[in-house]
Amino acid sequence: NAGVTQTPKFQVLKTGQSMTLQCAQDMNHEYMSWYRQDPGMGLRLIHYSVGAGITDQGEVPNGYNVSRSTTEDFPLRLLSAAPSQTSVYFCASKSGTSGLNTGELFFGEGSRLTVL
Amino acid sequence: AQSVTQLGSHVSVSEGALVLLRCNYSSSVPPYLFWYVQYPNQGLQLLLKYTSAATLVKGINGFEAEFKKSETSFHLTKPSAHMSDAAEYFCAVSGYSSASKIIFGSGTRLSIRP
Repeated sequence: NAGVTQTPKFQVLKTGQSMTLQCAQDMNHEYMSWYRQDPGMGLRLIHYSVGAGITDQGEVPNGYNVSRSTTEDFPLRLLSAAPSQTSVYFCASKSGTSGLNTGELFFGEGSRLTVL
Repeated sequence: AQSVTQLGSHVSVSEGALVLLRCNYSSSVPPYLFWYVQYPNQGLQLLLKYTSAATLVKGINGFEAEFKKSETSFHLTKPSAHMSDAAEYFCAVSGYSSASKIIFGSGTRLSIRP
């Protein structure tokens, strides 16, 4: 029963490097999202997707790209990492994109990223 | 636009005392409201949710919250704190549609004194 799987769990980058945080879910959830968690800031929504081929910006999208080619996967790309992107990143999914909101997000264990 | 404000980044109570964590929301549409809990080094898990049915919502581990439209509040309470309740708690707001994004507050860290 894997749920939401994020890789890698830890990563150190140098300023200007690029990388992709992977997120996969095996619950056939249509809705997937990425958040970053910083002390005192709570969770801030970066990007989200309501289905394959559909993505939208959240509260803090700058510096991040996403794509959704399959229902299962929702990778987050940092094209040119900056120290301000040092954070813990969480991927989360929930079922259904039609009808009423169930609200229950299922979270991965997080990916801790440090940009030097 | 939707947002939530959590008053108090850190709350400390004695074991057995009342827990009260405050959340106020802002929403241009009828909101759905949630409380999530995060234990150390883990992701978040749903504690309870308000989806326009009963205004008093009961969740897991003895927690409950009351939706008060006139006060735009959704405060989380528990009558008697337990050591295992020590965690970070997040209030969140969304719309009624399943496609609505979910916006979180800044969180409140709850500490329990023996």
